Amino acid sequence: EAGVTQFPSHSVIEKGQTVTLRCDPISGHDNLYWYRRVMGKEIKFLLHFVKESKQDESGMPNNRFLAERTGGTYSTLKVQPAELEDSGVYFCASSQGTSLNYEQYFGPGTRLTVT
Amino acid sequence: GEDVEQSLFLSVREGDSSVINCTYTDSSSTYLYWYKQEPGAGLQLLTYIFSNMDMKQDQRLTVLLNKKDKHLSLRIADTQTGDSAIYFCAESGSSASKIIFGSGTRLSIRP
Repeated sequence: EAGVTQFPSHSVIEKGQTVTLRCDPISGHDNLYWYRRVMGKEIKFLLHFVKESKQDESGMPNNRFLAERTGGTYSTLKVQPAELEDSGVYFCASSQGTSLNYEQYFGPGTRLTVT
Repeated sequence: GEDVEQSLFLSVREGDSSVINCTYTDSSSTYLYWYKQEPGAGLQLLTYIFSNMDMKQDQRLTVLLNKKDKHLSLRIADTQTGDSAIYFCAESGSSASKIIFGSGTRLSIRP
């Protein structure tokens, strides 16, 4: 069974440009999460989808970030316009269920560098 | 608020035991986790402990939980070079949606 995949693995863009990150969850997982690790600090929750609906987007830093999950399959996270402080590793995770009994499986992450 | 703290680096000699410590603030945490991230790989759930347990052992791994002091530790016995990684302490927090992570402890093994 394929795990969570993310694309690209690394992206380097200039300040002010737009970048779109993609996450493909494990097949059949309705729950999809985005997290971010900035500058070697803690990994922070960004948001949680249940199918195509945003269940919790309390961690989204500002309106330059837009997450979508049309059709309830893969998800994209767009940063527009990117700022220097957006650099970091963006992780995606998926799980079968929402309760604490379901493990979140993480992808390898996308390393975003904004110059 | 919910916060998880851990030291950034740990260096141990191959064959020795490694102990990674963590403190957290949320007393309502249901699960506490240890994740491992190897270079170029994603986060792998290494082990977890339910909040009403004091200890959990799984082969070379021992997790100790002191709920009173909100202190969690991970002991790796007979540390090997393959154990080199970043270890993240995490808690389930008050929401089923998100996991609250620490900054990660980079474990390096010296010969």
